[in-house]
Order: sequence, then structure tokens, then C-alpha cells
Amino acid sequence: GENVEQHPSTLSVQEGDSAVIKCTYSDSASNYFPWYKQELGKGPQLIIDIRSNVGEKKDQRIAVTLNKTAKHFSLHITETQPEDSAVYFCAAPLEPDNYGQNFVFGPGTRLSVLP
Amino acid sequence: ETGVTQSPTHLIKTRGQQVTLRCSSQSGHNTVSWYQQALGQGPQFIFQYYREEENGRGNFPPRFSGLQFPNYSSELNVNALELDDSALYLCASSLNGVGTQYFGPGTRLTVL
Repeated sequence: GENVEQHPSTLSVQEGDSAVIKCTYSDSASNYFPWYKQELGKGPQLIIDIRSNVGEKKDQRIAVTLNKTAKHFSLHITETQPEDSAVYFCAAPLEPDNYGQNFVFGPGTRLSVLP
Repeated sequence: ETGVTQSPTHLIKTRGQQVTLRCSSQSGHNTVSWYQQALGQGPQFIFQYYREEENGRGNFPPRFSGLQFPNYSSELNVNALELDDSALYLCASSLNGVGTQYFGPGTRLTVL
């Protein structure tokens, strides 16, 4: 089955700096990769996703890049703000042959944006 | 558009008891997936319900069971509770069981 690793486990940046979180997956058939943000006491919130037919996707200050050959994908947050502080999770399909049905999550990255 | 809702917010049970958690899917979504999130970890897939039938299951024992109703809402039932069942239980809804999943706020279960 799919295995997802995520690094770093914690990340502290100064407000205005960029943050990068990296994930690797094991199953080359995986073709859809969402990123979730989870604030304290809340459920995960989808912030961006990418499908395997593109290498990069941007949404304002957030971008995701995908390297299918190396089987890794990364979340990039630019111009970080204190409200970006949260735990971020990457995910990959649990059963890649069943397109995007359910997901294996990484262990999470706790991002702290220092004012 | 109504988002995913879950009830109750918090629950305290003792070992050996049974619990039922409830989830209402996002408006227009017909599929509900349940995840268990232990403290400090990522969510772990329990099972999915589509058209009132179980449609995929993770590595959880049979004492974890579920239901989906005609209005697409769902229940997660856990029998013979163990201390390790203490976690945040999340449901996520999607359309036709594919693509993007949208999560509810979760139910925090504490087993004493």
C-alpha cells in the first residue's frame, strides 16, 4: 500500500519569509495529492491540491510542486503571516488504482510563523 | 452550501462501552469517509460509505462499523471501547467517492 513521509515535523519562520514542506510517496500509480491545514481544535481544511498531469499549481501565496519521477511533492507558502501557523498534512491516494478514493496522510508539519 | 457537520463535539466513555458518532455530509455530496486521528498524528482511514454501502475499509477491526442513510448522513459505531480508541474522529464527504474530500470539525472521543 501507499506510504507517505513528510518533512520537517516542525518549522519556524519569521513573518514574511517563505516556508517549504516536502512529502514523498511510494506508489508510482498515485495521481492526486491534496494538502490540508489543520488549526487547533478544528478538522483539516483543504488548501490546495495537484493532479499528476501538471507539475505545479499556484493559488495566491500557496503553491504545490510535483516531481513524479522522484515521487515527491512540496508545499510552498510565500510571505507567511501569523495566521498561517497550523499543522499541515500532505496526502496521497490509499488505493491509487481507485482514483482519489481515500487517502494516506503524512504525519504532519507544525508551522509556526513568528511575528 | 452547507459544510460537513459532526456530533457530538466531545464524548467521554469508559473502556468496554459502545459509542455512536454522527456526520452530515456537505450539500450535494453522496459519499462519507471516516478517519481516526490520534494525538500528534495524521488522520488514518477507517472506512467509506457510498450509496448506503461500505465501499472500502482501512486496517481497523470489525468492532468499528458504520451506516449511511438515504440522506447521505452517516454513523460510526465503535463497540467494546479500548483506551487506544481515544482520538479525534473525522468524517469527510465527497462526490461519488472520488477526488477532493472535505472534512468536518471532528468528534473528540476520550476513553477512560
